[in-house]
Amino acid sequence: GDSVTQMEGPVTLSEEAFLTINCTYTATGYPSLFWYVQYPGEGLQLLLKATKADDKGSNKGFEATYRKETTSFHLEKGSVQVSDSAVYFCARINAGGTSYGKLTFGQGTILTVHP
Amino acid sequence: AAGVIQSPRHLIKEKRETATLKCYPIPRHDTVYWYQQGPGQDPQFLISFYEKMQSDKGSIPDRFSAQQFSDYHSELNMSSLELGDSALYFCASTRNTGTGGYEQYFGPGTRLTVT
Repeated sequence: GDSVTQMEGPVTLSEEAFLTINCTYTATGYPSLFWYVQYPGEGLQLLLKATKADDKGSNKGFEATYRKETTSFHLEKGSVQVSDSAVYFCARINAGGTSYGKLTFGQGTILTVHP
Repeated sequence: AAGVIQSPRHLIKEKRETATLKCYPIPRHDTVYWYQQGPGQDPQFLISFYEKMQSDKGSIPDRFSAQQFSDYHSELNMSSLELGDSALYFCASTRNTGTGGYEQYFGPGTRLTVT
């Protein structure tokens, strides 16, 4: 079935380090892909999205490119800040049938950034 | 901008009791989704409604039921509560434009604790 796989965490970085969180998805149809962020004790916030191959989503210095050939949607940021510490979820929206619009999430990656 | 509203934010119940969670979608959003997030887990889809009709069903126990009302708000009813029902319950909404790729906007969640 449709699934999303994220790199195992947690990830611990120093401030201003480069961040990559890997995400791959099963290639069923042409899903839309998302990154959501969850800060401690809060709900899920949409960070960025991409709806078709080669689209690049970007927001708050984060970027991710929809790579159809590798079925990947890796999240990157050039210089992380302490305030980026959170849990990051990669997700896909199923396409077609009655499951249209249901989000399938990856396992989540805990990011901790130290000063 | 208006966001998804969920109430209550926190709920403590005893085993075998019932609970009702409410969700008020963003105005003009016609689709509501319910997700359950256990401790340290990724959100799991429970059920969704489009234009007041159930549109999809996920891993929702038979003890749970939900509906969407004429004003588009939704309620998740949970009976015979078990300890394992302790989780964060998210509601998300979107407007179904039929073109796909639309993102879901999440509420802050209701934290249910069953003792």
